[in-house]
Amino acid sequence: NAGVTQTPKFRILKIGQSMTLQCTQDMNHNYMYWYRQDPGMGLKLIYYSVGAGITDKGEVPNGYNVSRSTTEDFPLRLELAAPSQTSVYFCASSSPTGYSYEQYFGPGTRLTVT
Amino acid sequence: GDSVTQMEGPVTLSEEAFLTINCTYTATGYPSLFWYVQYPGEGLQLLLKATKADDKGSNKGFEATYRKETTSFHLEKGSVQVSDSAVYFCALSDYGNEKLTFGTGTRLTIIP
Repeated sequence: NAGVTQTPKFRILKIGQSMTLQCTQDMNHNYMYWYRQDPGMGLKLIYYSVGAGITDKGEVPNGYNVSRSTTEDFPLRLELAAPSQTSVYFCASSSPTGYSYEQYFGPGTRLTVT
Repeated sequence: GDSVTQMEGPVTLSEEAFLTINCTYTATGYPSLFWYVQYPGEGLQLLLKATKADDKGSNKGFEATYRKETTSFHLEKGSVQVSDSAVYFCALSDYGNEKLTFGTGTRLTIIP
């Protein structure tokens, strides 16, 4: 099991460019999430999905879009990149254990927008 | 809404010292509680969890007890090692809620 994989590991974008961060999980989890982690801060939820074809906004969705066409993949799209989107992005997945949702995280994508 | 308050960092300790990182929470329902650890340059890994009052989660020498009366889930370890240097996050998911609420994280550095 690879768990949750993310590509790329690092990326530098110019202001106004677009890109897609890839996330794949092989645990057959229904739930997937995208977070951003700013330096010295906790994690903020950008978007999440409870299953293929279903997505919903988290705390900080502005400037991002997602899609979920399969159980395995949950790409995050940045349109018109801005310096405020410089951050480390983590993808996670989960499946309920009883009434608890333990999340498994990918290694992250470090994005710099200049 | 739900919230998690963690002890401010950074925390620096000598090897073999006793560690406590405080975590308190506010939740509308009956949450599950988690501690995640983030080693340098890596994603978050689940360290331990507890799903009901008085449960004790434990892993790699770390422990935390779910205290409903004080709404706390403090992380402890009796003798820390240099390899424990990392950022530790306390988190909760409310009953049946698929989303986690994280604390801001506590950076721990262990000096040989």
